[in-house]
Amino acid sequence: KNEVEQSPQNLTAQEGEFITINCSYSVGISALHWLQQHPGGGIVSLFMLSSGKKKHGRLIATINIQEKHSSLHITASHPRDSAVYICAVTTFSGAGSYQLTFGKGTKLSVIP
Amino acid sequence: EAGVAQSPRYKIIEKRQSVAFWCNPISGHATLYWYQQILGQGPKLLIQFQNNGVVDDSQLPKDRFSAERLKGVDSTLKIQPAKLEDSAVYLCASSFGAWAGELFFGEGSRLTVL
Repeated sequence: KNEVEQSPQNLTAQEGEFITINCSYSVGISALHWLQQHPGGGIVSLFMLSSGKKKHGRLIATINIQEKHSSLHITASHPRDSAVYICAVTTFSGAGSYQLTFGKGTKLSVIP
Repeated sequence: EAGVAQSPRYKIIEKRQSVAFWCNPISGHATLYWYQQILGQGPKLLIQFQNNGVVDDSQLPKDRFSAERLKGVDSTLKIQPAKLEDSAVYLCASSFGAWAGELFFGEGSRLTVL
């Protein structure tokens, strides 16, 4: 079973700050997902990556397969970025099946 | 493209009653997941389907929870009888493939058990 650790658990930032959320996992994966969940809202997929780096607007996700580590960066943070950010990994679990394991999430609050 | 549809959005029941949730995944998505998310916690997988077959139901409390995905399309999750600790949001998600497909989540069904 893959263990997924996120840090920090809670993060408060001033508007405009550069933000980094980290995710580490214990077993080799086939893919890593970064998800966003606003209070009372559903979950939205931000990125799915298996190597390198992806960018979408002010969001950047990187992954280092050798170190089993991924980071989510938010540039020029804005109060609307306030949400819970969840890291999840897909791991081959044998017999042709794959498991999805979630981290506990990082609660981000961006203050104007 | 239509997203993952779930219903009902909200449900309030008394303990020992039964409840059913419905999920219609994105068309063509073979993999469907049901998650339970208790307030303040991350999602916990209840069951994963690949087409209409069960891939993982190891964390499904089978004495009270059941799920089916007939014809490999939409799915229902049932709780009978409900307990207070079942109060949570039940999330349905789908992906094209189980190995590395992007995940699409429904809005969730919020259950309150009194």
